[in-house]
Amino acid sequence: DVKVTQSSRYLVKRTGEKVFLECVQDMDHENMFWYRQDPGLGLRLIYFSYDVKMKEKGDIPEGYSVSREKKERFSLILESASTNQTSMYLCASSLRDEQYFGPGTRLTVT
Amino acid sequence: QQQVKQSPQSLIVQKGGIPIINCAYENTAFDYFPWYQQFPGKGPALLIAIRPDVSEKKEGRFTISFNKSAKQFSLHIMDSQPGDSATYFCAASGETAGNKLTFGGGTRVLVKP
Repeated sequence: DVKVTQSSRYLVKRTGEKVFLECVQDMDHENMFWYRQDPGLGLRLIYFSYDVKMKEKGDIPEGYSVSREKKERFSLILESASTNQTSMYLCASSLRDEQYFGPGTRLTVT
Repeated sequence: QQQVKQSPQSLIVQKGGIPIINCAYENTAFDYFPWYQQFPGKGPALLIAIRPDVSEKKEGRFTISFNKSAKQFSLHIMDSQPGDSATYFCAASGETAGNKLTFGGGTRVLVKP
């Protein structure tokens, strides 16, 4: 079974803090993705990576950066958290079409 | 701009009813159309997917209907059960690096006993 794990289920941070969200997959997948999920807006792609050290902007990259130093790990970084980044963050990985999702991190920025 | 539009946002049916969720897309380069199911506290999981070379696909009680000329596709849940209560997302992708998906806004389905 593919397993995608995310470092935290719930996180509360203050405005201006630097926030790291970690994602690890155990199936040697080449592709990894970060989404944010907001009611009525579905899942919106922030960044994705199709190889180690490779990254591509998704639809809403502003305010975020990513790092992929190892194949199994993909990190999302909020350089200076803002209240409008309060959301559910989902990580996913894939080999081809099917994406496998982690359980999500609910981030609250106060 | 949402490239995949999903409706309705929520749906309530009685057990045994057939909830129908509709999606419309704009990008004619899309060639893969999956549906994901998400239960509370969990990440989405692939339910069923279709490619444009067929107009319908069934897996158990779940059916996708696809209309290429109208650029629309829909999910039907036959003989719905309370355990089907979840949020459903349609999505689409074309041949791009990383096979990235564009998701619809989601439909929350509640099946009453």
